[in-house]
Amino acid sequence: EAQVTQNPRYLITVTGKKLTVTCSQNMNHEYMSWYRQDPGLGLRQIYYSMNVEVTDKGDVPEGYKVSRKEKRNFPLILESPSPNQTSLYFCASSSSGADTQYFGPGTRLTVL
Amino acid sequence: DQQVKQNSPSLSVQEGRISILNCDYTNSMFDYFLWYKKYPAEGPTFLISISSIKDKNEDGRFTVFLNKSAKHLSLHIVPSQPGDSAVYFCACPGNAGNMLTFGGGTRLMVKP
Repeated sequence: EAQVTQNPRYLITVTGKKLTVTCSQNMNHEYMSWYRQDPGLGLRQIYYSMNVEVTDKGDVPEGYKVSRKEKRNFPLILESPSPNQTSLYFCASSSSGADTQYFGPGTRLTVL
Repeated sequence: DQQVKQNSPSLSVQEGRISILNCDYTNSMFDYFLWYKKYPAEGPTFLISISSIKDKNEDGRFTVFLNKSAKHLSLHIVPSQPGDSAVYFCACPGNAGNMLTFGGGTRLMVKP
């Protein structure tokens, strides 16, 4: 089954404790991206990757890092999480840029 | 300043009637528009799209209309069904097609 998976689905952590949210897709897509969803703001793009070893900032990259060492994986790293990063995070992938992306199920992160 | 706006955070309609969801954008360079649908605890899924060379695109019960001069698009669902109850996001690819800019979303509730 074609899908985008994210782990963990739920995470409660404390300020400053480094965390990683994993994302994996099995569709051989070149394009992958991360979004955060906040009430009234829709989804805002954090980072995206056009291919392996190619990443670029989205609209809200501050406080986040990503890496793309393999085509299927695109982890999101929060080196020192803060409460304003409490949000619902989505990973997505596509075969052709930002068009028609397939989204993962989401990761709800709470930073205390 | 948000480049894509959905001014109605929620909409309630009766089953069988028409649902009209609206979206306004500010960037006249946008030339492709998408609608995504999101159920609770799931990631968004692609619904329908329209290119700026068209003013209408239809797929079953879903029709998207584009008014380029007004920088406005709308999604019509006819007839509405209870299973259509979800949050709907409009989105526009920008930045050479590498990023998606989403509106804030409209929560549609279809009452039986």
